[in-house]
Amino acid sequence: SQQGEEDPQALSIQEGENATMNCSYKTSINNLQWYRQNSGRGLVHLILIRSNEREKHSGRLRVTLDTSKKSSSLLITASRAADTASYFCATGSFGNEKLTFGTGTRLTIIP
Amino acid sequence: NAGVTQTPKFRVLKTGQSMTLLCAQDMNHEYMYWYRQDPGMGLRLIHYSVGEGTTAKGEVPDGYNVSRLKKQNFLLGLESAAPSQTSVYFCASSYASGGHYGGNNEQFFGPGTRLTVL
Repeated sequence: SQQGEEDPQALSIQEGENATMNCSYKTSINNLQWYRQNSGRGLVHLILIRSNEREKHSGRLRVTLDTSKKSSSLLITASRAADTASYFCATGSFGNEKLTFGTGTRLTIIP
Repeated sequence: NAGVTQTPKFRVLKTGQSMTLLCAQDMNHEYMYWYRQDPGMGLRLIHYSVGEGTTAKGEVPDGYNVSRLKKQNFLLGLESAAPSQTSVYFCASSYASGGHYGGNNEQFFGPGTRLTVL
């Protein structure tokens, strides 16, 4: 079963706007990761946030983590057409050798 | 570095046929994974390996077998393909560092293999 569930399933915004997508999970985690998948391609790692961190930045990306609510959000600022992709969250648990992926958010940037 | 490569990129099989998907990585990673991706289902783990000569079952292992004879290669086999195995298959690898389990680190993905079983 999926550990992470992304919300919304699909999102369309105008270029230049900010995009926010959310991830909720069920059990305790060691870290939470976000990946991007362009159409027909493999996943690319974007950012990792550990369970003892609350916020992390990487370029135009901002990730927050609220372990009390078991949720994370990914904010992409000043969106570009090239940001059109599916975005997945993945959780890693203590003592676990694998990640569990959510079902993804499909983001479309309208030029 | 080529990163993670997968062979073949596309394949069409008839029900009952067998095939092997090859994944290779040149990053000296200990951990390797096979996923399948179906519309609306996200990524589901089939099998994984935490080192040469080791394999373990993931979430959806039935109908698949794997082998990790060399550290850099991870093979996924379908002995008797079924239409339900029509999917896009992704291989990934990861490193272990500082006591952290490989599954807790960043995973590097291959480009995928699109398999259709008729």
